[in-house]
Amino acid sequence: QVLLLQSGAEVKKPGASVKVSCKATGYPFTSYYLHWVRQAPGQGLEWMGIINPSSGITTYAQEFQDRVTMTRDTSTSTVYMELRSLRSEDTAVYSCVREAADYSASSGYYYRRAFDIWGQGTLVTVSS
Amino acid sequence: QSALTQPASVSGSPGQSITISCAGTSSDVGSYDLVSWYQQHPGKAPKFLIYEVTKRPSGVSNRFSGSKSGNTASLTISGLQAEDEADYYCCSYAGSTTWVFGGGTKLTVL
Repeated sequence: QVLLLQSGAEVKKPGASVKVSCKATGYPFTSYYLHWVRQAPGQGLEWMGIINPSSGITTYAQEFQDRVTMTRDTSTSTVYMELRSLRSEDTAVYSCVREAADYSASSGYYYRRAFDIWGQGTLVTVSS
Repeated sequence: QSALTQPASVSGSPGQSITISCAGTSSDVGSYDLVSWYQQHPGKAPKFLIYEVTKRPSGVSNRFSGSKSGNTASLTISGLQAEDEADYYCCSYAGSTTWVFGGGTKLTVL
């Protein structure tokens, strides 16, 4: 079964950092891009960035460029998202999300630029 | 990158059809046939409904359909059912390995 299993809820003070983990199971970890998406309470979805688990190459949304780092550990099929200089507005559920792809033996993976598997989400609360 | 524009809410009666719009720009929706849609029930993770504007993943009801004209994409739900009551989000690839979501639409089934 394809699953993305995230770490538990965190409470942080303003100015601190948080690191959320996401362990992938049930599929070849290095073959699918992983994204991070957040949702503040009562608000919409916000795309934060993408990591290629094979190469480690990342792209971040402009809003988070200077505060976020996404990494991966291929030995444990886990990706991490670290957000620094936390402020109250960063209180949200953070989710790792797999990018949909189709595979054929002749062509390899074709990435669909959409999100098919979502982690259960990790609530990060920033409060003094 | 600004969020795509969706109506805050739509409503319909069981059996009816509704359409949710998703307005973007020539840099995202208008440039790529890479719009996707997600359904989110309260307290749950989003569910993958539509990709590449019109395609449905395996297992998604054919009551859900997508379309696009210019810089605006749309999701149509036909034969409304009570369980369709949820929040719906559009998302578009925006180039340079970036994505942008819409603000979300709350669907009420009357």
